[in-house]
Amino acid sequence: AQKITQTQPGMFVQEKEAVTLDCTYDTSDQSYGLFWYKQPSSGEMIFLIYQGSYDEQNATEGRYSLNFQKARKSANLVISASQLGDSAMYFCAMREGIGNFNKFYFGSGTKLNVKP
Amino acid sequence: GAVVSQHPSWVICKSGTSVKIECRSLDFQATTMFWYRQFPKQSLMLMATSNEGSKATYEQGVEKDKFLINHASLTLSTLTVTSAHPEDSSFYICSASGGQGTYEQYFGPGTRLTVT
Repeated sequence: AQKITQTQPGMFVQEKEAVTLDCTYDTSDQSYGLFWYKQPSSGEMIFLIYQGSYDEQNATEGRYSLNFQKARKSANLVISASQLGDSAMYFCAMREGIGNFNKFYFGSGTKLNVKP
Repeated sequence: GAVVSQHPSWVICKSGTSVKIECRSLDFQATTMFWYRQFPKQSLMLMATSNEGSKATYEQGVEKDKFLINHASLTLSTLTVTSAHPEDSSFYICSASGGQGTYEQYFGPGTRLTVT
C-alpha cells in the first residue's frame, strides 16, 4: 500500500482564493511526522509546514495551514489568499519515528496553478 | 534554517564516464543524508540513506555498484554515478538530517545530470 497518497495531479485556483491540497497517509506507527514541501520549477524543495502525530492543534505557518485529521489519516494543506508565486508542485511527505535515520515517504505531488 | 549545498548544480558528461556530486551541510552536523532521484513531473524517489562513517543503505532496485555513496564526515556526502548512461540523466537531490529538529530534513538545491 502507498504510504502517502495525493489524489490531485493538478489543481487550479484563482488568485487571492484559498485552496486545499489533499494528502492521506498510511502507517501503523504511533509516532510520525507529516510534512508539506513546495517545489517550484527551479527544482529546490522548500519546506512549508510540519505536523507531528501527537500535536493536538493543526499546524499553521503564515498562509499555510495543515488540516490534520488523525482518525481519517489525512493531512491536507490549505493555502489561503493564493498568490501567483504559489504556482508549483506540492509534495506531502511522512516520516515514521523521529530518529534521524528514518526515511521519508513522498506522495506523487500536486501541480498547483494560480490564475490571475 | 539549516543550509545544505550541492555541487555541481548541473553537469553534462559523456556516456561511460563517472560523475561525482557533493552534498554538504554548511551549518550543522548531518548524521544522516538521503539521496533522491527525480524524473520530470514525478515525485522524489529515495535511492539510499547514508549515515556518517558507515555504509549506505540502498533502496530496492538501486544498483550499489553504479551509484556509489560515501558519507565520510558529518558535513559531506558524495554520490558518484559510475559509467553513466543516458538513462541516468535525472535530477539528483540530497537532504540532510541531524539539525535543529530531529524530525526535519534539509534539502540541497539539486543537481541536474545530463549524460550524452
